[in-house]
Amino acid sequence: EAAVTQSPRNKVAVTGGKVTLSCNQTNNHNNMYWYRQDTGHGLRLIHYSYGAGSTEKGDIPDGYKASRPSQENFSLILELATPSQTSVYFCASGENRANQAPLFGEGTRLSVL
Amino acid sequence: GDSVTQTEGQVTVSESKSLIINCTYSATSIAYPNLFWYVRYPGEGLQLLLKVITAGQKGSSRGFEATYNKETTSFHLQKASVQESDSAVYYCALSDPLLLSGSFNKLTFGAGTRLAVCP
Repeated sequence: EAAVTQSPRNKVAVTGGKVTLSCNQTNNHNNMYWYRQDTGHGLRLIHYSYGAGSTEKGDIPDGYKASRPSQENFSLILELATPSQTSVYFCASGENRANQAPLFGEGTRLSVL
Repeated sequence: GDSVTQTEGQVTVSESKSLIINCTYSATSIAYPNLFWYVRYPGEGLQLLLKVITAGQKGSSRGFEATYNKETTSFHLQKASVQESDSAVYYCALSDPLLLSGSFNKLTFGAGTRLAVCP
């Protein structure tokens, strides 16, 4: 069964600390995405990737890095976490074909204190 | 840029009553975007509810329906009779169907509408 798994599911971090959010997909999808979701906003795209070794900036990349070491794994890295990065983060994977609907993970709730 | 506007905040409906969640879109660079409704049930991840990729067509799933109206640039979500289990957050979204633009099925989301169904 197609799956996108995120870890951790919940994280509390301190301001200035480094945070890594992990995402694993077993769908053999080329494309992977990181979004954040805040109250009053829809999900907004942070970074995406179209294959191992590639990362691209999305709409709100500032303060975030991404890493795609393999087809299955896509990480989001906050080198210096700030309270403004408190949010719910969603990872998704999708086929590199037209008209596809990406599959999403269950989300990671991050609180930066 | 592209944007999606949907019914704001929370909608409360009594069980067995009808529901409509409004969604309108603006796609400045996309003639005919793909349109989606995603749903997030409590404690779960985001799931695709339905999608429509052709203007004028209707999508349906789990008793929900949405029609792609390119004249009014709308994609409203409707259900004739809601159940308590429909309580969730619903997101309208669009994507560019043309991969040549390099969009890689990137989704643009509305802010989400929380549906609370009362027994």
